[in-house]
Amino acid sequence: SQQGEEDPQALSIQEGENATMNCSYKTSINNLQWYRQNSGRGLVHLILIRSNEREKHSGRLRVTLDTSKKSSSLLITASRAADTASYFCATDRVTDKLIFGTGTRLQVFP
Amino acid sequence: EAGVVQSPRYKIIEKKQPVAFWCNPISGHNTLYWYLQNLGQGPELLIRYENEEAVDDSQLPKDRFSAERLKGVDSTLKIQPAELGDSAVYLCASSLDGTGRRGQFFGPGTRLTVL
Repeated sequence: SQQGEEDPQALSIQEGENATMNCSYKTSINNLQWYRQNSGRGLVHLILIRSNEREKHSGRLRVTLDTSKKSSSLLITASRAADTASYFCATDRVTDKLIFGTGTRLQVFP
Repeated sequence: EAGVVQSPRYKIIEKKQPVAFWCNPISGHNTLYWYLQNLGQGPELLIRYENEEAVDDSQLPKDRFSAERLKGVDSTLKIQPAELGDSAVYLCASSLDGTGRRGQFFGPGTRLTVL
């Protein structure tokens, strides 16, 4: 079963623009993580935010978490063609068991 | 540092045939996961190992799926017999600490097609 649901399902932007994708989940969590998956490849861990954190940055990535709304957002600033991929949020409620969302497919046009 | 290695990358079989997937996690990672990923969906956990012990196999369809991690390193996932609905990508992942707070490291996956 999928815990999270990403929105939008697909997003197309031009290089240099910002990309924002959202994740909503159903139950209380310990941590929320974001992963990237390039076509035909495995997932790559991007960033983790704990339930007591509200915002976190890593390079061009900015993640926010609103536990009252059970939602998170991932912002990629100044996007590049190489950012084209699917992005998944994953939550863990019970230690070490990640439940992934359905993903957002991001297409960045040069 | 070598990443998570999986083989084969692709497998095509006929229904009712057996199939096995192999995974070698990152050296030193005690926790190993097998996931199933259907097209357009996120991965779903099948089984999680802490060393050689399966600590969560609640999502593994035990009538046809089995897994082992005999020496706490490599792991094998088997399906016997395969059904048409088993066509998917099977991902292996590993993590350094049991809580996965530094994220899980994924292999490239095995794409299974059952005809």
